[in-house]
Amino acid sequence: SQQGEEDPQALSIQEGENATMNCSYKTSINNLQWYRQNSGRGLVHLILIRSNEREKHSGRLRVTLDTSKKSSSLLITASRAADTASYFCATDTFRLTFGEGTQLTVNP
Amino acid sequence: NAGVTQTPKFQVLKTGQSMTLQCAQDMNHNSMYWYRQDPGMGLRLIYYSASEGTTDKGEVPNGYNVSRLNKREFSLRLESAAPSQTSVYFCASSAPTSVPDTQYFGPGTRLTVL
Repeated sequence: SQQGEEDPQALSIQEGENATMNCSYKTSINNLQWYRQNSGRGLVHLILIRSNEREKHSGRLRVTLDTSKKSSSLLITASRAADTASYFCATDTFRLTFGEGTQLTVNP
Repeated sequence: NAGVTQTPKFQVLKTGQSMTLQCAQDMNHNSMYWYRQDPGMGLRLIYYSASEGTTDKGEVPNGYNVSRLNKREFSLRLESAAPSQTSVYFCASSAPTSVPDTQYFGPGTRLTVL
């Protein structure tokens, strides 16, 4: 069973626009992580937010966590064509559990 | 550092054949994992190994066996392949359990069972 569910399943934007992806989960977590997967490649860790944190930044990435709503969002600002990939949230309880991902397409 | 490596990259099997997927990491990580990724289903954990000498079942272990050969290597074996095992298989590793479980992934093995 999937702990995290991403929304939307697919997102298409123009270069320079911001992209927002959401993740909802069901049970209490230790932390929540976001990963990126380029087509045909393995997943790459992007950012981790602990359960006692509300917001975290890393370069053009901003992650928020609302434990009362059991949800997280990933914002990519000023998107580039190279950001085209699938993005997965992963909730860390006893083991990492991955959602189904959001497919982001950034058009030049 | 090569990180996490997997062999082979691609494989086609006939139903009933067996094969072993190899995974190795050079980051001195204690924990290693095998996932499968199917369209629209994200990653599902097959087996994991928290440390050398230990293995545990994940979410979808049926039809698979694993061996933690040493700290570096973790192999996944399909004894009698079935079409339902057609998938992309990823190996991952992570540092000691005292830190959050940030995982490092290999490039994947694309397996087709006819």
